[in-house]
Formats: sequence, C-alpha cells, structure tokens
Amino acid sequence: NAGVTQTPKFQVLKTGQSMTLQCAQDMNHEYMSWYRQDPGMGLRLIHYSVGAGITDQGEVPNGYNVSRSTTEDFPLRLLSAAPSQTSVYFCASSGDRNTIYFGEGSWLTVV
Amino acid sequence: ILNVEQSPQSLHVQEGDSTNFTCSFPSSNFYALHWYRWETAKSPEALFVMTLNGDEKKKGRISATLNTKEGYSYLYIKGSQPEDSATYLCAFLDSGGYQKVTFGTGTKLQVIP
Repeated sequence: NAGVTQTPKFQVLKTGQSMTLQCAQDMNHEYMSWYRQDPGMGLRLIHYSVGAGITDQGEVPNGYNVSRSTTEDFPLRLLSAAPSQTSVYFCASSGDRNTIYFGEGSWLTVV
Repeated sequence: ILNVEQSPQSLHVQEGDSTNFTCSFPSSNFYALHWYRWETAKSPEALFVMTLNGDEKKKGRISATLNTKEGYSYLYIKGSQPEDSATYLCAFLDSGGYQKVTFGTGTKLQVIP
C-alpha cells in the first residue's frame, strides 16, 4: 500500500545546480500537487496538476518546473537552485477534494 | 491569498489534560475544511473532512466542529496522551477549484508525560 512516494528524502545542492524531486502515486488520482513548508508558514502550493498533460502554477511557482506525462508521476524540477529554495517539499495527490494524501517529504538544503 | 489562521501557534499540556485549538477561515466560497495531524519527519495524515455547517466529527479522543457562517473550526483532544504530540494543520478548500487549498500554519502540541 504505497500511496504517495517521493524521493529523495534528503538532498544538499550547491547554488546553481539543478535537480528533480520525484513523486509517484498508485491510487489513480487525477489531482497532484507540490507544496513547500517553511518555518512559520503553512504549506504553500508550488504547482499542481488536474490530470495527465495538464499543469498549472500555484502560489509560489518561480524557480520550479513540473510535467505530468502519466497519471502516476509528477516530478518537480529545480532549474537553478537558490538558497531561498531551502525547504521541505511535499508531494500530494487527491482523487477528489475530500482527502489529500501526502508523501513523506523531501528535505532540501541549498548552500 | 486567503487568510487561514490557527491558534495557538504552540502549546504544552500535561498528560490527561483536554485541550482545543482553533482554525479561522474566510466565511465565503466555502467548499470544505480539512484537519491533518503531522508528526515530524512523517507525512501529514488526514483526521477530518468537514463540509457542512454544524458538522461534528469524532475519531477516538479527537473531535472537531465546524461553523462556516462565522468561519471557524475547533479541534478538541480529550485526555491528551504523549502520542498526541504533533502539529495539527487545518486546510480551507475554496469552491473555486482544486488549486484553491490554503493551509494554516499549524498548532504544535506537546503533551508532557
């Protein structure tokens, strides 16, 4: 019963490097999203998708890119990492709007 | 950006005490209010999904109420136990679409044995 799986759990990047956070769900959910969690702030929406081939920006999209080629996968790309992107990232999915299922989080540090 | 506020930001209670915290949200365009329990280094886990004004939900020692007209929800924990220590998040879902989910900053609960 995997649910939402995101990798890696921990990552340290140098400023300017790029990387991809992977997210996969096995619940056949249409809706997937990426959030970031920063101290003193609620989860903030980066990008979301309402189905394969459809993505859109959330509240804090700058510096991130997403794609949704399949229902299962929703990777988040950091194009050129900056220290301001040091955060905890959560992938989430939902079959409807009744419950959101979260991955276990990815701790990213940009130095 | 919608204003969803939780209070208090943190609290410490003794084992056995009952406690409650508040989530305030806009009283217009309401679709649903979610409560999540989030332990450090784990993923947030859904506690309650509340959709109707006057809803009351209960799961074991934890219960929640909803008032959509005045824009608040209360989460109650009866007889707190150390395993209740976690951050409790509320999320306001706007009727405007899937992306319209706004999380509060959470209430961090520490139950002291």
